[in-house]
Amino acid sequence: DTAVSQTPKYLVTQMGNDKSIKCEQNLGHDTMYWYKQDSKKFLKIMFSYNNKELIINETVPNRFSPKSPDKAHLNLHINSLELGDSAVYFCASSQRPGASGGRETQYFGPGTRLLVL
Amino acid sequence: AQSVTQPDIHITVSEGASLELRCNYSYGATPYLFWYVQSPGQGLQLLLKYFSGDTLVQGIKGFEAEFKRSQSSFNLRKPSVHWSDAAEYFCAVGPTGTASKLTFGTGTRLQVTL
Repeated sequence: DTAVSQTPKYLVTQMGNDKSIKCEQNLGHDTMYWYKQDSKKFLKIMFSYNNKELIINETVPNRFSPKSPDKAHLNLHINSLELGDSAVYFCASSQRPGASGGRETQYFGPGTRLLVL
Repeated sequence: AQSVTQPDIHITVSEGASLELRCNYSYGATPYLFWYVQSPGQGLQLLLKYFSGDTLVQGIKGFEAEFKRSQSSFNLRKPSVHWSDAAEYFCAVGPTGTASKLTFGTGTRLQVTL
């Protein structure tokens, strides 16, 4: 059984379009994350939700809007896609901050490879 | 603010040879430290982690890492590399008390020659 899954795996779209990426985890975790990995493989956190509440919101354009319908799902909606949005987007999950004395480990999904043309 | 440096962008080793990937961190206290591996076209898999205690940490796939406070390092090692170890390796640091906000290094690409 896949612990953290993402759909779609690949996404090719035109500039200006709006697209969504979905993430689901079956680990029973309370906290979920979105990371962006750029063309140089640099990974940077974008958002984190704990039990549907936003707890980390790094400097990300407001065209990116995470949505957490329940604690097992965290979706990422991107409006007005730009060329620079091309990247691999990773979802991750962990126990809620402090659940293990701060020693929560993040488990990552397989990534969604987004290409904006 | 915490930061992570992986000095080696690309390393090539022969199959069967030993491996050491370097990771240096900057943080005011002892951070939480992680190594992840990303195989081509795949997601990130946790290899091992350090929170406290024994400074030599064993992980999956025969990997180990040693935390050295005096050198602010957390280098990853494997005594004998297999061709399937070819991948991108990422070191990450989280602030003490919360591993929620990870900062990743820029990765080291490992190539294994037969």
